Amino acid sequence: DQQVKQNSPSLSVQEGRISILNCDYTNSMFDYFLWYKKYPAEGPTFLISISSIKDKNEDGRFTVFLNKSAKHLSLHIVPSQPGDSAVYFCVRMAGGTSYGKLTFGQGTILTVHP
Amino acid sequence: KAGVTQTPRYLIKTRGQQVTLSCSPISGHRSVSWYQQTPGQGLQFLFEYFSETQRNKGNFPGRFSGRQFSNSRSEMNVSTLELGDSALYLCASSRTGGGDEQYFGPGTRLTVT
Repeated sequence: DQQVKQNSPSLSVQEGRISILNCDYTNSMFDYFLWYKKYPAEGPTFLISISSIKDKNEDGRFTVFLNKSAKHLSLHIVPSQPGDSAVYFCVRMAGGTSYGKLTFGQGTILTVHP
Repeated sequence: KAGVTQTPRYLIKTRGQQVTLSCSPISGHRSVSWYQQTPGQGLQFLFEYFSETQRNKGNFPGRFSGRQFSNSRSEMNVSTLELGDSALYLCASSRTGGGDEQYFGPGTRLTVT
């Protein structure tokens, strides 16, 4: 069973500081990962992704790092803003016959204080 | 362009009843996936439809079913509702599925009493 684990249910940071959200995974034969953000009463929205041919992908304030040997990825948000307060999901995209199927982590609630 | 829409947004049903939820994908998107979100299990994949055919299926009992119409709109049905079916049901659409970005609707909140 392929799992995605976010061990920190919540994270609180001060505005302007760095937010680091972590994720571990198991048994992946096709390493493609995404981060989704979810506000209350809305569906998740895509934030950033990374594939196994990279160890880093950057998009503005958001950077995702992938450590394949440790089966670990992290999302860095710099600088953090109050509008970033949301639930962040680490997501694995399946390959093979289940190509495109998304497996979500439990999510981390990020709170950015002004 | 309009996003993914789901109807109804909220629903209350009684154990043993059945329910049908609807999802209209973004215009031009042919793949529709359904997910269930609960506090205990998180967000879990139910199934994916593409061109009116179920292409992928998650680990849910046969009480959960779905279909897709020729205009790509999709419905999911849950029969013989159980208390544990209370959840937020999310629909996501993408152009062709696979590695395409999935766009989520706001979800339908189902409460089973």
